[in-house]
Amino acid sequence: GQNIDQPTEMTATEGAIVQINCTYQTSGFNGLFWYQQHAGEAPTFLSYNVLDGLEEKGRFSSFLSRSKGYSYLLLKELQMKDSASYLCAVRGNTDKLIFGTGTRLQVFP
Amino acid sequence: NAGVTQTPKFQVLKTGQSMTLQCAQDMNHEYMSWYRQDPGMGLRLIHYSVGAGITDQGEVPNGYNVSRSTTEDFPLRLLSAAPSQTSVYFCASSYTQFSGANVLTFGAGSRLTVL
Repeated sequence: GQNIDQPTEMTATEGAIVQINCTYQTSGFNGLFWYQQHAGEAPTFLSYNVLDGLEEKGRFSSFLSRSKGYSYLLLKELQMKDSASYLCAVRGNTDKLIFGTGTRLQVFP
Repeated sequence: NAGVTQTPKFQVLKTGQSMTLQCAQDMNHEYMSWYRQDPGMGLRLIHYSVGAGITDQGEVPNGYNVSRSTTEDFPLRLLSAAPSQTSVYFCASSYTQFSGANVLTFGAGSRLTVL
């Protein structure tokens, strides 16, 4: 079977750094995605990892360790607009992209 | 370029009624999929298609039918709606699903309530 785990909720302060973890167990591995979803809106793509290591994109970075079945999304210099849900998704050996339940991040001033 | 267009945005049904959620994309994407999103459950894959004429089941296919007669359209049919199908439905597409960082582009969502 497939299992993807993320914390349900996190809170942080504007200007701070937050790390959202994702652990997964899947049949095979062909990439891990992070999506952002604001309340009432559609998910939008943030990052993609298929090899071990860190991918940096502006204030957002994503890390992958395939041997540990582990990824994290790092958000720096938090802004109020970063309050959203962050979805971890894994593509295994099939055409399916399977999502975790998402982490709701609240940023406070 | 409209991207992925879903209709309707909102729908209320009575138990036992049938309806079709429409999804169309104008990006020439081969891969299309339907997800439902429920509180605490995340996005769950209902059905997907890797090209015209090809469909397959996802994690939660029961109660739903799909077809893919053209590259652009991927409708989702509820034959006999049940309250358990109350959810927000998202259609998503990408060029292909298997190679590289093929990113899913999502439609705006359709909120369905079954009474």
